[in-house]
Amino acid sequence: NAGVMQNPRHLVRRRGQEARLRCSPMKGHSHVYWYRQLPEEGLKFMVYLQKENIIDESGMPKERFSAEFPKEGPSILRIQQVVRGDSAAYFCASSVRFSQETQYFGPGTRLLVL
Amino acid sequence: DAKTTQPNSMESNEEEPVHLPCNHSTISGTDYIHWYRQLPSQGPEYVIHGLTSNVNNRMASLAIAEDRKSSTLILHRATLRDAAVYYCILIPVAAAGNKLTFGGGTRVLVKP
Repeated sequence: NAGVMQNPRHLVRRRGQEARLRCSPMKGHSHVYWYRQLPEEGLKFMVYLQKENIIDESGMPKERFSAEFPKEGPSILRIQQVVRGDSAAYFCASSVRFSQETQYFGPGTRLLVL
Repeated sequence: DAKTTQPNSMESNEEEPVHLPCNHSTISGTDYIHWYRQLPSQGPEYVIHGLTSNVNNRMASLAIAEDRKSSTLILHRATLRDAAVYYCILIPVAAAGNKLTFGGGTRVLVKP
């Protein structure tokens, strides 16, 4: 059973470009979470999605960031008009359901904004 | 959300036990205690969790104080592969979304 997959593993963008980060949850998992980790800091929750629904986006910046988890295909975290402060590691996690279920994390996407 | 307090770092020798404390004095009756760890350049991985009773699994043991205001993660025989940042996280039993709130964690250094 493959684990959580994220791609790309590394992404370089210039200021003003768009970044698209993909996350394929573990087979059978319908809950996806995105976290951001700035250099030398802990992970911070961004958004929680189920298939076709955003359940909790309390950690998402109000502008330029969006997330989706369509019925078919991976979850996408999209950052428009990136700025240098967006440089971070973005981790996706999945679980079977919420409330005490273990979250399984992917290897992360390291975004570097030049 | 109830907060946790952990030491910034701990050192251990290989093959020796490691005891990682976590204080959570404002824990509520419905909060589970979860531990995750993050190895260098990797995503976090689940270690163990519990509510009131001590718990054991193949990775570690979790000792929970009787008043639940603190807990200790025990790595019985540290290996070099256990060098990581360990996070103690409280999750309410009926959380909508189960989002994990990571604090600073404890960085464990294992010396050969």
